[in-house]
Amino acid sequence: QSALTQPASVSGSPGQSITISCTGTSSDVGGYNYVSWYQRHPGKAPKVMIYDVSKRPSGISNRFSGSKSGNTASLTISGLQAEDEADYYCCSYAGSSNYVFGSGTKVTVL
Amino acid sequence: QVHLVESGGGVVQPGRSLRLSCAASGFTFSSYSMHWVRQAPGKGLEWVAIMWYDGSHMYYVDSVKGRFTISRDNSKNTLYLQMNSLRAEDMAVYYCAREELERRFFDIWGQGTMVTVSS
Repeated sequence: QSALTQPASVSGSPGQSITISCTGTSSDVGGYNYVSWYQRHPGKAPKVMIYDVSKRPSGISNRFSGSKSGNTASLTISGLQAEDEADYYCCSYAGSSNYVFGSGTKVTVL
Repeated sequence: QVHLVESGGGVVQPGRSLRLSCAASGFTFSSYSMHWVRQAPGKGLEWVAIMWYDGSHMYYVDSVKGRFTISRDNSKNTLYLQMNSLRAEDMAVYYCAREELERRFFDIWGQGTMVTVSS
């Protein structure tokens, strides 16, 4: 149950698009279409932004999109805004009711 | 409004025990699987344990197996995490999170409770 690999940090200017990768194995990311992404602002509870690889919960901006290829999932934030500055975590189902999170990515809006 | 409120965190010596609680409100608690997720200082999120909606199954991350026990009382809308033989590496903010039956993601999270393991 090793953590999924994410870049430690990603930055972009307002209005730009950024992509965060999340690399796992065939036992987690590659084996199931159950990748979710969470946004966490300091001192706040995590908030789901994407589930089932690419689905957005009600109320989440369509600037957030998800995808997957093989053992790597990605979260893209388009039209970057100041309020997007936060930590982002991917999470994958890993079978037998087990889950594994990514190492986390700090998004900075320049 | 849907709420999860954790409690029970604190400072504990290595080897001692602590029990966390997560009080749920605003939804039918007995219809949801519930999880504990933790975040150690300076580290990322780590899934810890799940208990199915009816209490029939529970699963744990390898690092806590045999030391932590997840349980729930659906009559009290409360989730628990009994933590025994605590280690320095268990020090973290512990969050409870909700999962709709087999949806495989966490749609509601609590604010977390801090567990400090120190002599």
